[in-house]
Amino acid sequence: EAEVAQSPRYKITEKSQAVAFWCDPISGHATLYWYRQILGQGPELLVQFQDESVVDDSQLPKDRFSAERLKGVDSTLKIQPAELGDSAMYLCASSWGASLTYEQYFGPGTRLTVT
Amino acid sequence: SQQGEEDPQALSIQEGENATMNCSYKTSINNLQWYRQNSGRGLVHLILIRSNEREKHSGRLRVTLDTSKKSSSLLITASRAADTASYFCATDRDNYGQNFVFGPGTRLSVLP
Repeated sequence: EAEVAQSPRYKITEKSQAVAFWCDPISGHATLYWYRQILGQGPELLVQFQDESVVDDSQLPKDRFSAERLKGVDSTLKIQPAELGDSAMYLCASSWGASLTYEQYFGPGTRLTVT
Repeated sequence: SQQGEEDPQALSIQEGENATMNCSYKTSINNLQWYRQNSGRGLVHLILIRSNEREKHSGRLRVTLDTSKKSSSLLITASRAADTASYFCATDRDNYGQNFVFGPGTRLSVLP
């Protein structure tokens, strides 16, 4: 069964350093999402791609976060510089389409700890 | 502000019992989905219910939707220890079924 791949699974970094996460969605899925999940809370959408275009990044802290999906396949989320408050689980998900009529398939996540 | 809010925040039951959790939302929706998340892992889709549907079943899962009360419930029958997880509802907020948000979740513990 096809899965969404994410790496690394765990990342520890010092504040003010740069960090990057990678996501490879299920083949053929046009829509890709990055979420941030703080422990004990639900996922918060950071950015949504449709193919290589950003369709929603209203919750992305653009002063320090950036995301790209250059060829409309895999994607990278970057934080520079990292802050203590960025410690969270970063989840990537993909789906066939952009509306909530489509099931989202989630990757295992990257747990980020900023020290 | 969050669109969907689950309650209770936490639920503890014995194996074999039924578990019911609720999701309330503020504005009209087109679709509502329920997801499960095992500790420290990604979310898994459980069921989709559309605004013109009132009830759906999937195995031991039963989901209802009451658009007049802006609420949905997820019932897990004959619970198992493996059902221990957090359960989240996701609701959309615009006419295109997009702009959706997840609630804070219900943490279910099924005791053997």
